[in-house]
Amino acid sequence: NAGVTQTPKFQVLKTGQSMTLQCAQDMNHNSMYWYRQDPGMGLRLIYYSASEGTTDKGEVPNGYNVSRLNKREFSLRLESAAPSQTSVYFCASSEGTRRDLNYEQYFGPGTRLTVT
Amino acid sequence: GENVEQHPSTLSVQEGDSAVIKCTYSDSASNYFPWYKQELGKGPQLIIDIRSNVGEKKDQRIAVTLNKTAKHFSLHITETQPEDSAVYFCAASKRNQGGKLIFGQGTELSVKP
Repeated sequence: NAGVTQTPKFQVLKTGQSMTLQCAQDMNHNSMYWYRQDPGMGLRLIYYSASEGTTDKGEVPNGYNVSRLNKREFSLRLESAAPSQTSVYFCASSEGTRRDLNYEQYFGPGTRLTVT
Repeated sequence: GENVEQHPSTLSVQEGDSAVIKCTYSDSASNYFPWYKQELGKGPQLIIDIRSNVGEKKDQRIAVTLNKTAKHFSLHITETQPEDSAVYFCAASKRNQGGKLIFGQGTELSVKP
């Protein structure tokens, strides 16, 4: 049982390049989330998916797109990377139902992205 | 929208002492308050959480208190050990908001042997 896995672990991009961050969970969780973590700012929610086939914006969605490919996988895409997107990206999952989604979130190990 | 403020940003204690981290939130509709611990190079991990229908919750050396009137909640760690050294984050969430957590800025706790 691997929990939440993320690939890649590290990535360096040039401004304007695109890439997709991959996330998968093997806990049969309904909800999945993407956060970014910047020094002194805690974690900020980018997008989330409360169930397969649905996605919603979080606090900082601009410049990102997401796909809930199936119940296990939730990807984050940067279409045209900018230096302001240099950050550590965390994926998380939760068993929450639609009625009350306040359940423990399990985090992956993170992807450290640098945009030059 | 919701805003969560966390203090202090750094905290250094001697092994065996207690540590207290405080958070305030702005939205009175928030009803779920988790605390996460993040070790270097890893993702955050839940250590304790509290819902708005209780004022205090304990789990061994860790406790969380909630004051809904003042809109603040605190993490208390007793008998600290070097392995408690990490960054701690508080967060707040509301019902039916998709599980969206609003995090505080984090507290770097250092426990000196």
